[in-house]
Amino acid sequence: AQRVTQPEKLLSVFKGAPVELKCNYSYSGSPELFWYVQYSRQRLQLLLRHISRESIKGFTADLNKGETSFHLKKPFAQEEDSAMYYCALLTGANNLFFGTGTRLTVIP
Amino acid sequence: NAGVTQTPKFQVLKTGQSMTLQCAQDMNHNSMYWYRQDPGMGLRLIYYSASEGTTDKGEVPNGYNVSRLNKREFSLRLESAAPSQTSVYFCASSRLTYSYNEQFFGPGTRLTVL
Repeated sequence: AQRVTQPEKLLSVFKGAPVELKCNYSYSGSPELFWYVQYSRQRLQLLLRHISRESIKGFTADLNKGETSFHLKKPFAQEEDSAMYYCALLTGANNLFFGTGTRLTVIP
Repeated sequence: NAGVTQTPKFQVLKTGQSMTLQCAQDMNHNSMYWYRQDPGMGLRLIYYSASEGTTDKGEVPNGYNVSRLNKREFSLRLESAAPSQTSVYFCASSRLTYSYNEQFFGPGTRLTVL
């Protein structure tokens, strides 16, 4: 069975500090992973996907199949990065399996 | 474009009552989904509809039924609500192609069952 683990429910960092949100997965197939974000009073939205290998809002995430991880990183956190972040695994035809989420707070 | 809309925004039910959550999208997407979000549990897929005319169970379908009324609309029905169904319900939609497409989410419905 698939599993997505986000070990930190809450994460606080100071503005300008590096931030890393952890995500580990377990899946028997070829994994496709995503990060979704929910800002305060906004809808859940896609932040980035591993196959795109892109940087969005300064965030990057690398899929490490050996460690079964897909950690989200940003070198310098900004106050507007405060949000709820969900790691998600594609398990079937367009079906996503979500982790439990990490609430990031960036302290001014 | 309104994107994905959900009604109602809030609802309080008594145990045993029934209700239908409505979802509509105006993006001409083929696939639609219903999730529930409980504290500490993340989002869990209840039902999905890969295309008009088809529906399939997700991870937590018990106690729910769905109807894909047309390409735009996908409703979720609770026939006999239970306190365990207190949750925030999200509808989402995406295009259906051979490769994954982004899911677009609605604003959510907060349901309390007393």
